Amino acid sequence: AQSVTQLDSHVSVSEGTPVLLRCNYSSSYSPSLFWYVQHPNKGLQLLLKYTSAATLVKGINGFEAEFKKSETSFHLTKPSAHMSDAAEYFCVVSDYGGSQGNLIFGKGTKLSVKP
Amino acid sequence: EAGVTQSPTHLIKTRGQQATLRCSPISGHTSVYWYQQALGLGLQFLLWYDEGEERNRGNFPPRFSGRQFPNYSSELNVNALELEDSALYLCASSLFRGQGAGGYTFGSGTRLTVV
Repeated sequence: AQSVTQLDSHVSVSEGTPVLLRCNYSSSYSPSLFWYVQHPNKGLQLLLKYTSAATLVKGINGFEAEFKKSETSFHLTKPSAHMSDAAEYFCVVSDYGGSQGNLIFGKGTKLSVKP
Repeated sequence: EAGVTQSPTHLIKTRGQQATLRCSPISGHTSVYWYQQALGLGLQFLLWYDEGEERNRGNFPPRFSGRQFPNYSSELNVNALELEDSALYLCASSLFRGQGAGGYTFGSGTRLTVV
């Protein structure tokens, strides 16, 4: 069975400092992994995805994530936080690349960015 | 291009009543997915429709049902409403079956409140 654990429910950083949002997964198969962002009163937006190609995945808005099979982790990073990055972030795992519709979402990490 | 649109934005119902939520996918998208985002439970997969048929279902009771119309829009029905059904219901669409989560576009959701 698949599962995903986001290790921090809330992360607070200052503008211009690095961002690290941690995610560990469990999957019986070779997983597909995703990060989504949700701004208040908005839908979910895909940041990036890993589907067994390069282990370092670059996404939109300067975010990237590294797939580490030995650590079953898929942490999201950004070198320098911007005020507009304040939002909730979800780590997602799915077998079959999500083609069966049943994505497994983490509980989310709320990112606050201080001026 | 219009995104995924959901209606209504907010819905207040009394326990025991029925709720109907609607979703219009992006033009040309044939797959529609429904997710529930309940407080404390995170995002959970509800239903997947493609080409008018239910293709997959999450771990929800039968009183959660829906359908997909010939124009690919979709309706989610929740019968015999319970207080714990209060949640944000998100709809997503993708271009075709099996495209995978990298191709999902989410709507902004319907906030259902059961009193």
